[in-house]
Amino acid sequence: KAGVTQTPRYLIKTRGQQVTLSCSPISGHRSVSWYQQTPGQGLQFLFEYFSETQRNKGNFPGRFSGRQFSNSRSEMNVSTLELGDSALYLCASSLDKAGSGKNIQYFGAGTRLSVL
Amino acid sequence: AQSVSQHNHHVILSEAASLELGCNYSYGGTVNLFWYVQYPGQHLQLLLKYFSGDPLVKGIKGFEAEFIKSKFSFNLRKPSVQWSDTAEYFCAVKVTGGGNKLTFGTGTQLKVEL
Repeated sequence: KAGVTQTPRYLIKTRGQQVTLSCSPISGHRSVSWYQQTPGQGLQFLFEYFSETQRNKGNFPGRFSGRQFSNSRSEMNVSTLELGDSALYLCASSLDKAGSGKNIQYFGAGTRLSVL
Repeated sequence: AQSVSQHNHHVILSEAASLELGCNYSYGGTVNLFWYVQYPGQHLQLLLKYFSGDPLVKGIKGFEAEFIKSKFSFNLRKPSVQWSDTAEYFCAVKVTGGGNKLTFGTGTQLKVEL
């Protein structure tokens, strides 16, 4: 079974631009979460999508947004990029079987975004 | 809001030494606990997890962790480390019933010397 796939692996953008990152979860997984990883702040939760609805949201500005499609694939968008948005963006998927309560998140390799 | 503390930011050990990495969390309710590992150039991988039951959990590659509820701790241990254990280790907490949001500690960079 293929793992979590994130595209692209690397991106270089300039300040003020916008960017869209893509995540394909493990087949059958319904929950997709996004995290930002930086040397200074570590791993921080951005948001989680389940059945095309945002279920959880972290403390990031509104420039960060996401969505999930009917096939569970997810995208996140960052508008008006700032230098501080340079980071590794990680996507994680989870089966999220109803009533299980024992959900494990599997992470992709990430998209490394550099903002110049 | 919950938080996670990892006390050791950098640890250097010789091969065959024993390892214990500390992890404490702050949250008064029921939690699930995880240790993830990130080897150089690789993605985050699950090392072990605790949901309920036996507080001593075993994971991959000889790692184990003990959940001590009274101390809000979930320390990671390995009796004898190998050079290939060089990696960054993250402790994470998930509040039960709160979706899949993970709150991570700041990570511990482990270097194992030959």
